[in-house]
Amino acid sequence: TQLLEQSPQFLSIQEGENLTVYCNSSSVFSSLQWYRQEPGEGPVLLVTVVTGGEVKKLKRLTFQFGDARKDSSLHITAAQPGDTGLYLCAGDDYKLSFGAGTTVTVRA
Amino acid sequence: DAGVIQSPRHEVTEMGQEVTLRCKPISGHNSLFWYRQTMMRGLELLIYFNNNVPIDDSGMPEDRFSAKMPNASFSTLKIQPSEPRDSAVYFCASSLLLLAGGQETQYFGPGTRLLVL
Repeated sequence: TQLLEQSPQFLSIQEGENLTVYCNSSSVFSSLQWYRQEPGEGPVLLVTVVTGGEVKKLKRLTFQFGDARKDSSLHITAAQPGDTGLYLCAGDDYKLSFGAGTTVTVRA
Repeated sequence: DAGVIQSPRHEVTEMGQEVTLRCKPISGHNSLFWYRQTMMRGLELLIYFNNNVPIDDSGMPEDRFSAKMPNASFSTLKIQPSEPRDSAVYFCASSLLLLAGGQETQYFGPGTRLLVL
């Protein structure tokens, strides 16, 4: 049973479009992390959000942590082919619990 | 820094054989994690070590799986005997835990892709 539910499971968009990936849980986490994984490689940490309501920006990526620290979203503005990959959220409750991931494909 | 090193990168074996996966964490890191990734179950934590001591092995699927960390620079994950359902990508990750309950960055290796026939 996944503690963290990610949606959608797959997302395919055209270069220049925006996209949002969601990560929801019934559990409260002390922090939540977002990773990106490319084929044949391990996940790479993008950001950690800690405070309820926190918003962090990483260039064209915007991460938000829900007020209750149970959910989070990742928004990508003007997506580029280099944004293609598997996006994973992970809740930190002394150990990381990962969602199933969202596979994002950005077509040139 | 070379990052987390895993070997082999690919392993194909027959059911019943012993499989040993190896990991060299980033120098100076004090925590090491073994994960398994499959399409069906996603990324699952199998076991993690802190200062070479196993802290939580509740994710280890069954007695066929065992992990060791004899020193700060080396860890193994062994499957004996292996079964087709063990086919997956196995990741090792390491981190530097400064404070209990603190946020840490885990650095993942490239993974070992295991296929058990």
